[in-house]
Amino acid sequence: AQSVTQLGSHVSVSEGALVLLRCNYSSSVPPYLFWYVQYPNQGLQLLLKYTSAATLVKGINGFEAEFKKSETSFHLTKPSAHMSDAAEYFCAVSLGHNQGGKLIFGQGTELSVKP
Amino acid sequence: SQTIHQWPATLVQPVGSPLSLECTVEGTSNPNLYWYRQAAGRGLQLLFYSVGIGQISSEVPQNLSASRPQDRQFILSSKKLLLSDSGFYLCAWSSGQLVTEAFFGQGTRLTVV
Repeated sequence: AQSVTQLGSHVSVSEGALVLLRCNYSSSVPPYLFWYVQYPNQGLQLLLKYTSAATLVKGINGFEAEFKKSETSFHLTKPSAHMSDAAEYFCAVSLGHNQGGKLIFGQGTELSVKP
Repeated sequence: SQTIHQWPATLVQPVGSPLSLECTVEGTSNPNLYWYRQAAGRGLQLLFYSVGIGQISSEVPQNLSASRPQDRQFILSSKKLLLSDSGFYLCAWSSGQLVTEAFFGQGTRLTVV
């Protein structure tokens, strides 16, 4: 069964520092993977997605993620954190078309950015 | 372009009262529709999904039900709310033809008192 695990429920970085949010997946088939961001009391916004094309995926707001099959990982990175990056981040895997395209989410990682 | 509307944004309801949350999607046809719940400090739990009118799949046993009376309308209901139903409810849609991302509404903050 497909699942995702996000390592670290809280991550704190200084403004300008590297952001690294970790996500490992479990899937019996080639996965479709996603990163979402959620600001307080709002819905989820897609940051980027991996759909079996390039393994390095670039998203919005300077974020990118690398799909590593050997490590079953899809970690999210940003070279230089900005105060506006403070939010909660979710990694998700799709269960595929024959399961209604359902997304299974990790528990989320709250990112804090210190000035 | 496609848009998703979810309302109300906030709701405070007494225990035992009924619930109806509505979600509509515009600009697409035959979408997959989803209801997720997000409890404080926890991830997103899929409650229901639908691949077509009148087709509802429940993911977890609970006090809630869902209906899809029209292609782009998804309703979350309860006959009698429990305190444990409090949370942040999110409606989402995805393409019915491709494996793609889901697009989320702005959410409803439900507090049962």
